[in-house]
Amino acid sequence: LAKTTQPISMDSYEGQEVNITCSHNNIATNDYITWYQQFPSQGPRFIIQGYKTKVTNEVASLFIPADRKSSTLSLPRVSLSDTAVYYCLVVFYSSASKIIFGSGTRLSIRP
Amino acid sequence: DSGVTQTPKHLITATGQRVTLRCSPRSGDLSVYWYQQSLDQGLQFLIQYYNGEERAKGNILERFSAQQFPDLHSELNLSSLELGDSALYFCASTDGGMGYGYTFGSGTRLTVV
Repeated sequence: LAKTTQPISMDSYEGQEVNITCSHNNIATNDYITWYQQFPSQGPRFIIQGYKTKVTNEVASLFIPADRKSSTLSLPRVSLSDTAVYYCLVVFYSSASKIIFGSGTRLSIRP
Repeated sequence: DSGVTQTPKHLITATGQRVTLRCSPRSGDLSVYWYQQSLDQGLQFLIQYYNGEERAKGNILERFSAQQFPDLHSELNLSSLELGDSALYFCASTDGGMGYGYTFGSGTRLTVV
């Protein structure tokens, strides 16, 4: 069964590094992992996408271990404006192209 | 502004009615996706169109249908509305395949009373 699992919430402080993990046990070789950020009353916003190993862009890094059964979104030196809900998304090509969002992780950043 | 335009922003209607939500994708994007976001179900993929053709279906009810027109805008039709259909409906577009990052619109908030 194609499924993604994330922690419901996380708290951190400004300037810290935050790591949010998503589990996707039935991921197959061709399935991509994407992370989105969502603020209240707005549509999700693309953060980063990966397939394997490590991907880095100007705002985040994505770590995917060799077995690809999980992925970790890393946000370096967070600020108050990073307070949002973060979703992982996996397109399970191997499961008739099922598009599955995780339930979201509510990240709260404190001063 | 993400470049994906959804109208209307808010919609209030009664049970049993039918509504149409509209989406204009980002310029150059051929794929349009519809998502439903409710408090108890989270973000659920409904349906995808690519250049006018249906490509993938998710958890879309039979009461719901969609289409993509030659100018690439898309409409999501919701009929025989129930209270449980109250949700945020998002449209997203991409110029690549399903594995590429989507650009989401700001959504249509549907309230069924």
